[in-house]
Amino acid sequence: AQSVTQPDIHITVSEGASLELRCNYSYGATPYLFWYVQSPGQGLQLLLKYFSGDTLVQGIKGFEAEFKRSQSSFNLRKPSVHWSDAAEYFCAVGGVTGFQKLVFGTGTRLLVSP
Amino acid sequence: GAVVSQHPSWVICKSGTSVKIECRSLDFQATTMFWYRQFPKQSLMLMATSNEGSKATYEQGVEKDKFLINHASLTLSTLTVTSAHPEDSSFYICSASGRVGQGNEQFFGPGTRLTVL
Repeated sequence: AQSVTQPDIHITVSEGASLELRCNYSYGATPYLFWYVQSPGQGLQLLLKYFSGDTLVQGIKGFEAEFKRSQSSFNLRKPSVHWSDAAEYFCAVGGVTGFQKLVFGTGTRLLVSP
Repeated sequence: GAVVSQHPSWVICKSGTSVKIECRSLDFQATTMFWYRQFPKQSLMLMATSNEGSKATYEQGVEKDKFLINHASLTLSTLTVTSAHPEDSSFYICSASGRVGQGNEQFFGPGTRLTVL
């Protein structure tokens, strides 16, 4: 069965500093991988996705993620964090049809300090 | 485009009553809608998948008689929590997919916070 692990429950980053959120997955075949962001009391917004091809994917709001099959990882990065990036970030893996049957990690809460 | 709305955004009800939550795709036809439940500081757990005009498929451990899902049209799905109890208090999120050419991407609603007293 698919599973997603986000080892960091929360992370604090200074505004302007770089960010990396970790995500490890377990899936038998080539996974479909996603990062979503959730602001307090709101639904999820898709930041980026990996289906195939280039392992470095660019997303919205300046985020990128790199798929590393050998490490079963799909870490999210941003070179310079803004205060508005403070939110909950979820990594997810999809089944053979991509977006269907998404399995989410437990999330990482990002705090941005001045 | 690809906007999904939920109504109400929050609801408080007494134990034993039923609550209906609506999920609408505003600018596309959603052939499939998903209902998730999110407990505080936890991830989203898929409750059920519904295809328009068909019975919903529930995930293991989700009581279909307690969480009634109806997907009567391509733009509307409803979740009814019957005989709600305090342990049903949670954040319920729906998503919708069905846009051709978008890889069946799920678009999420803003969620409904249910509090059962």
